[in-house]
Amino acid sequence: GAGVSQSPSNKVTEKGKDVELRCDPISGHTALYWYRQSLGQGLEFLIYFQGNSAPDKSGLPSDRFSAERTGGSVSTLTIQRTQQEDSAVYLCASSLEGASGSYEQYFGPGTRLTVT
Amino acid sequence: KNQVEQSPQSLIILEGKNCTLQCNYTVSPFSNLRWYKQDTGRGPVSLTIMTFSENTKSNGRYTATLDADTKQSSLHITASQLSDSASYICVVKRRSGYALNFGKGTSLLVTP
Repeated sequence: GAGVSQSPSNKVTEKGKDVELRCDPISGHTALYWYRQSLGQGLEFLIYFQGNSAPDKSGLPSDRFSAERTGGSVSTLTIQRTQQEDSAVYLCASSLEGASGSYEQYFGPGTRLTVT
Repeated sequence: KNQVEQSPQSLIILEGKNCTLQCNYTVSPFSNLRWYKQDTGRGPVSLTIMTFSENTKSNGRYTATLDADTKQSSLHITASQLSDSASYICVVKRRSGYALNFGKGTSLLVTP
């Protein structure tokens, strides 16, 4: 079946502009995660959605970052007033349930964001 | 301080040779440890997942070991191929909650 998809694959934006990144998880996966991967760094957790529960936003680096998950499926990560330090690869992952079990997280290909 | 440390940071080997990547962690209490392979421009793909009671697990030419007492894991790649060139990421999960702790990865380059 189809894996996790993300769009766009690449995004170049000017400093100060807003961007929206999209994630389509694997059908039936209740848990969805957003991560940020900066050059030479490990994956940094941003936000976690599990079913209808309130999302865990503890990893969002500032109030310029927000995310939604509509209908328990598609998720959108929004970055307002982008800064150059926001340049990174943004990865989305989904799993059958929250990672409190050992269910595998399946990653999308990522969106490479470049802020000029 | 990162709770998952990987070494070496990068590695270059000749095609056909073996190599071993290391992962040390301080995450506690421990639930499981995963090794992911991330090709350039792609998302990470799981190679193995190991729980406390598992000492070794193989996936084709990849063999992972785990010593939960010393909090160390290794990923051994046998008879390397050009397609093994990628970043290998060690990920450790705590027993409670859903958060994963990611290492920075080892960048492996296999040359002809």
